[in-house]
Amino acid sequence: GAVVSQHPSRVICKSGTSVKIECRSLDFQATTMFWYRQFPKKSLMLMATSNEGSKATYEQGVEKDKFLINHASLTLSTLTVTSAHPEDSSFYICSASRDTFTDTQYFGPGTRLTVL
Amino acid sequence: KNEVEQSPQNLTAQEGEFITINCSYSVGISALHWLQQHPGGGIVSLFMLSSGKKKHGRLIATINIQEKHSSLHITASHPRDSAVYICAVRSGAQKLVFGQGTRLTINP
Repeated sequence: GAVVSQHPSRVICKSGTSVKIECRSLDFQATTMFWYRQFPKKSLMLMATSNEGSKATYEQGVEKDKFLINHASLTLSTLTVTSAHPEDSSFYICSASRDTFTDTQYFGPGTRLTVL
Repeated sequence: KNEVEQSPQNLTAQEGEFITINCSYSVGISALHWLQQHPGGGIVSLFMLSSGKKKHGRLIATINIQEKHSSLHITASHPRDSAVYICAVRSGAQKLVFGQGTRLTINP
C-alpha cells in the first residue's frame, strides 16, 4: 500500500514551453502533497506544500507564477513549469501524506526534466 | 551549520559487512525519517520514528531524542543495498528538513 506515481518519468522540452508533471496517490487519499526539486548529488529542496482544495504554500525563493501547483483532488496534484528555461532542468519529486502531521510521506519515483 | 548532519558522506564496504550511518540534528523534532534513494532517483521511505528503535529485515533504525541523534544500521550488507541514504526530520509542522545524504557502495 501507499504507492505514489509520477508521470512522466522523463521529459525533454524546448525553452519557452510549459510542462505538466502529475503526482498521484494510487491506493490512498492524500491530504497533503509536497513538491521537491533535486540537483545532481544534492539533497531534496522543498518547493511547495499543497493541501487538497486550497492554494499551495510556496517556499521562500520559489516563484509561484513559474511553478504552478494544483491539488484538485485527494489523489492528484500537478506541477506545471511555465515558460521553461534550461536552468529549470532538474529532478522533480513529489510526495504524499494521508495525515498532515503524523503520517509518513510516501515519495513518487521522480520526473527528470531537461529543457533544451 | 546544517540543521541535519549525516556521517559519513560516502561509505564503501564489502558485502556482508555491518553498516552504520549516523544522523545528528539541532532542532526539536516530532519525527525522524530514513529514506533510501537508488541511482534511478526513486525514493523509498524506510523508517519513520520518534523514539526507540525499529527493525525491518536487515535494517535497524535507532533514535536518541536527548542526544538528538539517530543511526541506521544494515546487517549482512549486500550490493543491492548500494544507494544514497537520507535522514530527514520533521519539526512541528509538515515540512521535512533533509540531511545531505550518505552514498553507500557495497562491493561484492
